[in-house]
Amino acid sequence: GAVVSQHPSRVICKSGTSVKIECRSLDFQATTMFWYRQFPKQSLMLMATSNEGSKATYEQGVEKDKFLINHASLTLSTLTVTSAHPEDSSFYICSAALVGGPYNEQFFGPGTRLTVL
Amino acid sequence: KQEVTQIPAALSVPEGENLVLNCSFTDSAIYNLQWFRQDPGKGLTSLLLIQSSQREQTSGRLNASLDKSSGRSTLYIAASQPGDSATYLCAVVFSGGYNKLIFGAGTRLAVHP
Repeated sequence: GAVVSQHPSRVICKSGTSVKIECRSLDFQATTMFWYRQFPKQSLMLMATSNEGSKATYEQGVEKDKFLINHASLTLSTLTVTSAHPEDSSFYICSAALVGGPYNEQFFGPGTRLTVL
Repeated sequence: KQEVTQIPAALSVPEGENLVLNCSFTDSAIYNLQWFRQDPGKGLTSLLLIQSSQREQTSGRLNASLDKSSGRSTLYIAASQPGDSATYLCAVVFSGGYNKLIFGAGTRLAVHP
């Protein structure tokens, strides 16, 4: 149980285009999802916290107009990188919090590798 | 500032050794601590979750301990195998952190035959 999927797993796009990444909790409902960014050989940096039915909360330094997050249902959150540039190339990982139980454990998706040419 | 630090950054050992990976955090007021494994180019696999009220958790050859007062956690890997080669990440949810995981930089482990 507690499986999180991401789609696509890998995307290559031209500079200036927008890219949408989906994060789904497959067998549980997640009122809260998190989006992380990881540069090569570095750790994960939290970008934003996504709550179902409300606006996302962005971490300091993360441009909310650049990284649009929508959490339309209890099983789906999307991250849209708008007008992508080469510096946006990175590994994006989402997680979903298993709420309702005694421990709010997060389960992570497999990640999406974004390459902007 | 709430931070998580992992030592060592990299470790290379022969197969069969028992290993200790270290994690330290700056604020003893934590909600929980998790150890993850990440293979190259992949997502995270949760290994162990320790709640603030617990001292340790065990799963197979893995044992994680938590000492809140000193701000430390250790991940013990018994009888290491080449398949254990990966990056191990420690992450903390600090009290009042609203489920936000703060990650350490990780320890890159290589176990050679």
